Amino acid sequence: GAVVSQHPSWVICKSGTSVKIECRSLDFQATTMFWYRQFPKQSLMLMATSNEGSKATYEQGVEKDKFLINHASLTLSTLTVTSAHPEDSSFYICSASGLRGLSPGDTQYFGPGTRLTVL
Amino acid sequence: DQQVKQNSPSLSVQEGRISILNCDYTNSMFDYFLWYKKYPAEGPTFLISISSIKDKNEDGRFTVFLNKSAKHLSLHIVPSQPGDSAVYFCAASAVAGNQGGSEKLVFGKGTKLTVNP
Repeated sequence: GAVVSQHPSWVICKSGTSVKIECRSLDFQATTMFWYRQFPKQSLMLMATSNEGSKATYEQGVEKDKFLINHASLTLSTLTVTSAHPEDSSFYICSASGLRGLSPGDTQYFGPGTRLTVL
Repeated sequence: DQQVKQNSPSLSVQEGRISILNCDYTNSMFDYFLWYKKYPAEGPTFLISISSIKDKNEDGRFTVFLNKSAKHLSLHIVPSQPGDSAVYFCAASAVAGNQGGSEKLVFGKGTKLTVNP
């Protein structure tokens, strides 16, 4: 099946610093990548959707100036958490979806996630 | 307002028996449903999906049933194995009205399945 990687798998940073998380589709071209965050015992909450070469679409309540998303190529998207604070500590997961075919609902393939801890 | 609900936070079954995980949704625009399996500190893994034009989809030990009138779907795992122990997420998407754009998934909170040897 399709493989999506994330880097780093975990990161600890000081409050006020910025952290960049990479999401790569390793064996397919991802026209769309999604960024989620998950709090303990909660569902995955979609933060934003990014299409290659265009600006990301953010969900309501997600600060686009704080969570910068870049989808520079069909295999790479990055999420930068700017001026991170302790409340940004969470599990961030990306997913990638390939070119749409004739059948509905291209399956999203998820990365392994990145655990961010802001001190 | 939760559009996808998994009302059972946990389920425990014996090895070899059937596991039934339930999911309800409220948005009638949803027409594509997926089940994901997730281990701690890992991303979800796709298991099985179903389109609203069907009421059943089977893949090996996994079967998903969809009852559109009740806005309810369920995942059956039979026979259950200890390796099936994980958190299972139900997700829904509105594909038909998407007009070729990205397909957002709305997730439930998950059900933690424990299969006892």
